[in-house]
Amino acid sequence: TQLLEQSPQFLSIQEGENLTVYCNSSSVFSSLQWYRQEPGEGPVLLVTVVTGGEVKKLKRLTFQFGDARKDSSLHITAAQPGDTGLYLCAGALSGGSNYKLTFGKGTLLTVNP
Amino acid sequence: NAGVTQTPKFRILKIGQSMTLQCAQDMNHNYMYWYRQDPGMGLKLIYYSVGAGITDKGEVPNGYNVSRSTTEDFPLRLELAAPSQTSVYFCASSARQKKSYNEQFFGPGTRLTVL
Repeated sequence: TQLLEQSPQFLSIQEGENLTVYCNSSSVFSSLQWYRQEPGEGPVLLVTVVTGGEVKKLKRLTFQFGDARKDSSLHITAAQPGDTGLYLCAGALSGGSNYKLTFGKGTLLTVNP
Repeated sequence: NAGVTQTPKFRILKIGQSMTLQCAQDMNHNYMYWYRQDPGMGLKLIYYSVGAGITDKGEVPNGYNVSRSTTEDFPLRLELAAPSQTSVYFCASSARQKKSYNEQFFGPGTRLTVL
């Protein structure tokens, strides 16, 4: 059973388009993180959200944590080829250890020039 | 700061061979982790450690062993390699935090093929 479901699994778009990827669960998380992984490298943290309803922006990337802390979304405005990569969401379960993360399977994004 | 380093970067093993994947961090982090990543499957936790001398099983520990004799090093041992252990292995570390979340820093990975 996958605790964190990410959708879509694959996404191929043209440069300049907008996109949203989703991370959903039936469980409550005390925090949720988004990582980006480029080919041949390890994941790198983009953002952490901890409060229900929280919205964080990182340049053209907007992250939102659901009000009930069970889901999150990542929106990219005017995507660029440099945004290409695997986007992983990861959460620390509410009531669990904050140092153990559960990862989703990821969304593989390709932005074509 | 080198961050988290892993060696080797690539390795091919024959069935039944053993090997140790090395991981080191220079950030004085208490927590260290080993994950495996299979295509389309995200990251699965193999083992983790909350400090020197303390290790615990993660989600998929079978066929692996770990030790943590120092804060810096967290090697992963495969005793009898099987084709099912073909994967990319990532080591990560994080600092002990009083806040509710914990950022993990990852190494570049070891790509292992068992034939």
